[in-house]
Amino acid sequence: NAGVTQTPKFRVLKTGQSMTLLCAQDMNHEYMYWYRQDPGMGLRLIHYSVGEGTTAKGEVPDGYNVSRLKKQNFLLGLESAAPSQTSVYFCASSVVGNNQPQHFGDGTRLSIL
Amino acid sequence: AQSVTQPDIHITVSEGASLELRCNYSYGATPYLFWYVQSPGQGLQLLLKYFSGDTLVQGIKGFEAEFKRSQSSFNLRKPSVHWSDAAEYFCTVGDYSSASKIIFGSGTRLSIRP
Repeated sequence: NAGVTQTPKFRVLKTGQSMTLLCAQDMNHEYMYWYRQDPGMGLRLIHYSVGEGTTAKGEVPDGYNVSRLKKQNFLLGLESAAPSQTSVYFCASSVVGNNQPQHFGDGTRLSIL
Repeated sequence: AQSVTQPDIHITVSEGASLELRCNYSYGATPYLFWYVQSPGQGLQLLLKYFSGDTLVQGIKGFEAEFKRSQSSFNLRKPSVHWSDAAEYFCTVGDYSSASKIIFGSGTRLSIRP
């Protein structure tokens, strides 16, 4: 059972380039999340989804887009990467309700030059 | 606004010593509280959770936490730490304004002195 899988694990981009981060979960979870983690700031929610075909903005959505075309996949897109988006990105999933634990992937380390 | 505070950014303890990591929350009702651990280069793993009932909850890896409503605290403890406990620890609370979101503390980094 793989749980939550993120690809790629590392990526270096130039300013202005675009890319998509993929998150896949095999636990049949309804909820999925994208966070970014920066030193001293904990995890901040970028976007989330409460079900297939639905997405919502989190705390820091600017510069990112997401899609949830299939229940098991949640994609995070950067249309025009900026140095401020250099971070470690984590995907998580959970069953319904914030009284349930979230299951995290191992992260994607993204550097924007 | 709802919040979670972890007042200690970095703690160093000797191997075999006891550990207590502090977490304070602001919340109007009974909160859903969690502790997660993040080892270097990895994602977060659930240590334990509290919803209701017994205020002392047991988790994995020998950790426990005590919910104290009067102090708005949910401190994490371990009687004897091991070198493998070196990691970052996050306290979180379910966001009462949204049934789908949680709020993270900023984390406490734990180092173990040999």
